[in-house]
Amino acid sequence: DAEITQSPRHKITETGRQVTLACHQTWNHNNMFWYRQDLGHGLRLIHYSYGVQDTNKGEVSDGYSVSRSNTEDLPLTLESAASSQTSVYFCASSATGTVTDTQYFGPGTRLTVL
Amino acid sequence: GESVGLHLPTLSVQEGDNSIINCAYSNSASDYFIWYKQESGKGPQFIIDIRSNMDKRQGQRVTVLLNKTVKHLSLQIAATQPGDSAVYFCAETPTMSSGEKLTFGTGTRLTIIP
Repeated sequence: DAEITQSPRHKITETGRQVTLACHQTWNHNNMFWYRQDLGHGLRLIHYSYGVQDTNKGEVSDGYSVSRSNTEDLPLTLESAASSQTSVYFCASSATGTVTDTQYFGPGTRLTVL
Repeated sequence: GESVGLHLPTLSVQEGDNSIINCAYSNSASDYFIWYKQESGKGPQFIIDIRSNMDKRQGQRVTVLLNKTVKHLSLQIAATQPGDSAVYFCAETPTMSSGEKLTFGTGTRLTIIP
């Protein structure tokens, strides 16, 4: 069955370190998204991609970057981790770029920055 | 989405009873709405959606009601089961302009009491 996976599921790192969170989907979806989820906030969009070599900034993109070298993967990199980036991160994918197209979410990565 | 707060609103319902979860939105231009279910340790899962040209939409054991006048959305779950225990949140977006993204609410934690 097609799925979307994230790794690692839990990560503890130190301030200033570079961290990369992996997202892999086997839906063959063109569109992939990264969100963060924090208490008191709904999911907030970090970056998104509509296809290979395409990346776009979301509402909370500062301190994060993504690259899309193939259809299946959209890794999220924290260039220099900060305590404010402690959060749960979700990757999602959808078949088309239409905002009404269903997004399928991964299980999440809980990141703690000490 | 719902108002920001540090703690999720909670709702406890006896197994077999019906539950109603509410969501207020602020963007009068929003015309597409989604309800998600998020179980502990998992990613959000699409439940049901509704467009603004409808007041009500039914799925399997779930009904979404939309009141555009007061910008209010509700999710009714009939004959609740233990597996319904989760956080439920709404998302909204305008669809008339390109580049629009989903705005997510903070969620309500539903607990089913056996």
